[in-house]
Amino acid sequence: DADVTQTPRNRITKTGKRIMLECSQTKGHDRMYWYRQDPGLGLRLIYYSFDVKDINKGEISDGYSVSRQAQAKFSLSLESAIPNQTALYFCATSDPEGAFFGQGTRLTVV
Amino acid sequence: AQKITQTQPGMFVQEKEAVTLDCTYDTSDQSYGLFWYKQPSSGEMIFLIYQGSYDEQNATEGRYSLNFQKARKSANLVISASQLGDSAMYFCAMRDVYGNNRLAFGKGNQVVVIP
Repeated sequence: DADVTQTPRNRITKTGKRIMLECSQTKGHDRMYWYRQDPGLGLRLIYYSFDVKDINKGEISDGYSVSRQAQAKFSLSLESAIPNQTALYFCATSDPEGAFFGQGTRLTVV
Repeated sequence: AQKITQTQPGMFVQEKEAVTLDCTYDTSDQSYGLFWYKQPSSGEMIFLIYQGSYDEQNATEGRYSLNFQKARKSANLVISASQLGDSAMYFCAMRDVYGNNRLAFGKGNQVVVIP
């Protein structure tokens, strides 16, 4: 089983819908992150969390919210999806010497 | 703000040749970590190698090595003996205290290995 698991792997949703992307990890790391990837732009940080009570905005948090339900779980929500949120989304965890990614969620907003 | 720069255009590499991917970074911190990731066409992000700013020796992991030049703020990835499976996007990333320990990424380098 993967150390960092994202669900769903693929999702098509309509504009205006609320959608949640889920992430769970078995690595025991405190630090968790959500990134989005767009062609030519690399990975951009949406939100990050250093423990259950510590949530921080990244560089592109507008339109997104997160919940850290437990050390192992960090979910990303789009309250009202819009087409420019179509992207590949990654969850990651880290320790001091590495960051480990889920397999990604390909989200399409139509 | 953190800044990671990867400016090389897409690269074609002959199989079995070595390839160097450039990465420069900008930070005011003395303590930071540098990472390289591989993203094949399937999309997953694969961790390759890590270099700490206080590490005196360049990191190596199998065919991957990191040419760390601290004064130049450079952390180039060297892939030796390229294989067809090395065709992918490669991302450089940095984490530093100045950036609140966030992991920031460059825009990536595309590598295509040709037989």
